This record gives sequence, structure tokens and C-alpha cells, in this order.
Amino acid sequence: DTGVSQNPRHKITKRGQNVTFRCDPISEHNRLYWYRQTLGQGPEFLTYFQNEAQLEKSRLLSDRFSAERPKGSFSTLEIQRTEQGDSAMYLCASSPERTAYGYTFGSGTRLTVV
Amino acid sequence: AQSVTQLGSHVSVSEGALVLLRCNYSSSVPPYLFWYVQYPNQGLQLLLKYTTGATLVKGINGFEAEFKKSETSFHLTKPSAHMSDAAEYFCAVTSVDQTGANNLFFGTGTRLTVIP
Repeated sequence: DTGVSQNPRHKITKRGQNVTFRCDPISEHNRLYWYRQTLGQGPEFLTYFQNEAQLEKSRLLSDRFSAERPKGSFSTLEIQRTEQGDSAMYLCASSPERTAYGYTFGSGTRLTVV
Repeated sequence: AQSVTQLGSHVSVSEGALVLLRCNYSSSVPPYLFWYVQYPNQGLQLLLKYTTGATLVKGINGFEAEFKKSETSFHLTKPSAHMSDAAEYFCAVTSVDQTGANNLFFGTGTRLTVIP
């Protein structure tokens, strides 16, 4: 197992374009989380899945954001009509269910909207 | 509601000196506490965690932290700083209920600089 994998590592897009990020969690982890981190700040929770079910969404997740986790495996985070304020590092993490042994984070996708 | 406050956005220490990064938490339920380290353009790496049991926890790279319920603190320490410790450090809190582990709430981070 190579840990949590995120692709792409970097994405530069023009304002108004749509972007999609992918996260492949540790295979035996039921829970998958998305966080957003802006410069100089700690990660902020966006949403999480237990298996394929999206159980919670933050108010930070506007209507332009959508996340999916088909079949409870990998997850995608799509941002429609990107804005400059969407520029951030998007982090994915996974964890086993019913435990707090620590969330394993991926290396993140850095989005720059120009 | 849960939250974390990290005192000092920037900390500088000399190589070989004591490292002390402060973290205070707020939680209405017994907390699970974590310290993560982040190197530039990287994800977060778990340093150590407190769940239950012994309040002094040891982590990787010589770091340790002590859970003090009376002070609602979980400060991170290392006896002797190394140049490779220069990074951003985040304290985080969560709780665990019948459905499993909940979301992590992070502090704003402390950037550690090690002076040769």
C-alpha cells in the first residue's frame, strides 16, 4: 500500500474553467475526507465520505463544489466556474472506521486560478 | 464544538535548543489530539497522537507531547532541534463517537525556523 494518492499535484487554470481532482485512499480505509488549505492557514474541512455515502458537507462547500466517491473507492472533487478565491491546496485524507488512529493525508493538489 | 489555538505563528530556535510549540484546545467531549508536520508543498505527516491512556506521548523524530486536561493543552516539545525540523506544525483535535472518528479541526499552524 502506497498511502493516499492525489492527482494532479499541481493545476493551473483560468478563471471560469472547471477542474477535477482525484484521491485514491488507503484501500482498507472506509472514510475519506477533503480539506482545503489556503496560504498561512490550517486545513479546513470540506466534506467526508463513509464508503460511498457523503455524510457531511461544510458550509465552505459552495454549490460550485461537488464530490463523489463511486463504489466507495477513489473520490473526485470538482470545482465548477473556478474563481481566484478557490486557489488553495486541496488535501485528501483517509481513515479506518471506528478508530482515531490518525488520518493519513495525501500530498495534496495545489490549485492556482489565474 | 471543537477548536484549537496555536500560540505563536512563528517560532525560531537555535540548532540544539529546546523546541516548544504551544497548543490549547476546546472540546465539549473527551478529545483526541494530534500533531502534524508539513514540509513545503507536501501533505501532512502525523507526528504523534493522544487518544486515551498515558498523557505523555512520544512520536517520530524525537518529538513528544503531554496532554494536560486541567490546562486544556497539548504542547509539542523536542529536547534538541535539528535543521531538518524546520517546517510548519499543526495541532488538531477530534472526537470519536459510536459512528467512528469525526472530522479533524486544525489550528492555524506554527512555522518553526531552526537557526544554525
